[in-house]
Amino acid sequence: ELKVEQNPLFLSMQEGKNYTIYCNYSTTSDRLYWYRQDPGKSLESLFVLLSNGAVKQEGRLMASLDTKARLSTLHITAAVHDLSATYFCAVGGMDSNYQLIWGAGTKLIIKP
Amino acid sequence: DAGITQSPRHKVTETGTPVTLRCHQTENHRYMYWYRQDPGHGLRLIHYSYGVKDTDKGEVSDGYSVSRSKTEDFLLTLESATSSQTSVYFCAISEESLLAFFGQGTRLTVV
Repeated sequence: ELKVEQNPLFLSMQEGKNYTIYCNYSTTSDRLYWYRQDPGKSLESLFVLLSNGAVKQEGRLMASLDTKARLSTLHITAAVHDLSATYFCAVGGMDSNYQLIWGAGTKLIIKP
Repeated sequence: DAGITQSPRHKVTETGTPVTLRCHQTENHRYMYWYRQDPGHGLRLIHYSYGVKDTDKGEVSDGYSVSRSKTEDFLLTLESATSSQTSVYFCAISEESLLAFFGQGTRLTVV
């Protein structure tokens, strides 16, 4: 059974600091996704990671995938207040019968 | 934005009444999903569909049924609403890539 664990679940940090969110999953998977959700809003896709060693970057966010360790990281560089949101990772593929299995989410608060 | 519309956006209903939520897409995507989102639980899959009249259960399907008679519409029905079904419901669509696009959500309150 595919399980996904994120940590931390809650993170409060100062602007300008760097931090990393971790996403571990329990079995092999085809692909991994990162999403962002603002309070009261829908989910917005950020990154899709499809292969070992994949790295994607958008602004101050960088996501990477290590399929051997079954680990993805979302790194935040020089955080700004606008990045405050809840971030979810999701894993899926043929082995999960085309279901996306979701982490519980990391609520990120960035203080000025 | 992906063409996904959920209706209604907000609903308050009484315990024991049936409720149907609608998800409509204009993207012709094969897969459609219903999730519920509750504090402390993240997103949990209720049911999903991989084609017209092809549906399957997710991890929290008890008390819910779905139907997909057309590619563009996926209906979620609560046969007899209970207070534990108070939640925010999201519809999502995807193709084989599984990159999911989400609707705006429906906030359902069962009183």
